[in-house]
Amino acid sequence: EAQVTQNPRYLITVTGKKLTVTCSQNMNHEYMSWYRQDPGLGLRQIYYSMNVEVTDKGDVPEGYKVSRKEKRNFPLILESPSPNQTSLYFCASSFQDGYEQYFGPGTRLTVT
Amino acid sequence: GENVEQHPSTLSVQEGDSAVIKCTYSDSASNYFPWYKQELGKGPQLIIDIRSNVGEKKDQRIAVTLNKTAKHFSLHITETQPEDSAVYFCAASNMYSGGGADGLTFGKGTHLIIQP
Repeated sequence: EAQVTQNPRYLITVTGKKLTVTCSQNMNHEYMSWYRQDPGLGLRQIYYSMNVEVTDKGDVPEGYKVSRKEKRNFPLILESPSPNQTSLYFCASSFQDGYEQYFGPGTRLTVT
Repeated sequence: GENVEQHPSTLSVQEGDSAVIKCTYSDSASNYFPWYKQELGKGPQLIIDIRSNVGEKKDQRIAVTLNKTAKHFSLHITETQPEDSAVYFCAASNMYSGGGADGLTFGKGTHLIIQP
């Protein structure tokens, strides 16, 4: 089954404790992206990757890091999480930039 | 860059009635306009899309219309049912004829509520 998986689905952590949210797709897609969803603000892009070892900032990259060492995986790293990063996070992939995006189930992160 | 405005932010309709969600975009080069539906607890999923070479596209109870001159496009849902309750996002991008595209820009979403 074609899908995007994210782990964990729910995470509660404390300020400053490094965390990683994993994302994996099995569709051999070149393009992958991370979004955060906040009430009234819709989907805002954090980082995206056009292909292996090619990443770039989206609209709200501050406080986040990403890497793309393999085509299927695109982890999101929060080196020192802060409460304003409490949000619902989605990973997505697509054949290429601008094409239909397939979204993961989401990761709800709470930073206290 | 592209800017996509979506209205309304919340829409409540009676079951069986029609619902219309509207989006405007700023970049006249945009030529691909998808709509995504996000059900509670899930990620958004593509439900219909339209390209700039057509003015309307239908798929059963849903349809999308595009007015390139006015730079707006709309989602129409007829005979609404409880399972239509969700958040809907419009988006726009410029897809190049030789391959590749500018990134998708999303609207802020519309929470559609179907009243029984």
